[in-house]
Amino acid sequence: SAVISQKPSRDICQRGTSLTIQCQVDSQVTMMFWYRQQPGQSLTLIATANQGSEATYESGFVIDKFPISRPNLTFSTLTVSNMSPEDSSIYLCSVRLDSDRTQYFGPGTRLLVL
Amino acid sequence: GESVGLHLPTLSVQEGDNSIINCAYSNSASDYFIWYKQESGKGPQFIIDIRSNMDKRQGQRVTVLLNKTVKHLSLQIAATQPGDSAVYFCAERQGGSEKLVFGKGMKLTVNP
Repeated sequence: SAVISQKPSRDICQRGTSLTIQCQVDSQVTMMFWYRQQPGQSLTLIATANQGSEATYESGFVIDKFPISRPNLTFSTLTVSNMSPEDSSIYLCSVRLDSDRTQYFGPGTRLLVL
Repeated sequence: GESVGLHLPTLSVQEGDNSIINCAYSNSASDYFIWYKQESGKGPQFIIDIRSNMDKRQGQRVTVLLNKTVKHLSLQIAATQPGDSAVYFCAERQGGSEKLVFGKGMKLTVNP
């Protein structure tokens, strides 16, 4: 498995502002993913962030709203831009180890937008 | 379209009972399935996985069954303990893709 950390663990933000969430993994991985989990709901994939290429976004998610960086094999950031209350969710990063087919998740960032 | 869903949104069991959580999937091209457990305030935790070329896989107190004919997946938890209380998600991965599609989740409550 992998040890994955996320910062911040939670935040309360004002609408119209932006928040950058960091994801750090303890081993080098090619594939990282960002998910959103709205209150009481399941996980929805936002984008796939592979090192060395541009992030690939799922339907309904766009780069201007959720810019992603992947500067190296152990780190990624997701920015939630121009936030509105509808962006209140848990944001989770996950990784797929190069030697494994399973995705392992970080603890999540709990975001509340007022 | 693709979808993964659970038959039961909530399940309440007594400590020591066996629990069965069911999941239906619709994409016959899916080749890999995972069960996750999510405790309150935490990220999903991997429980067990199964490839589409298998019907059954066992772990410690957990068994996953896959019925490809009816596109059905189940998670069996033996001797359920209060620590098993959580929301459980099934997820499927389509062949040739790394994308996971998650089911809606089912909350398991274990009563002492």
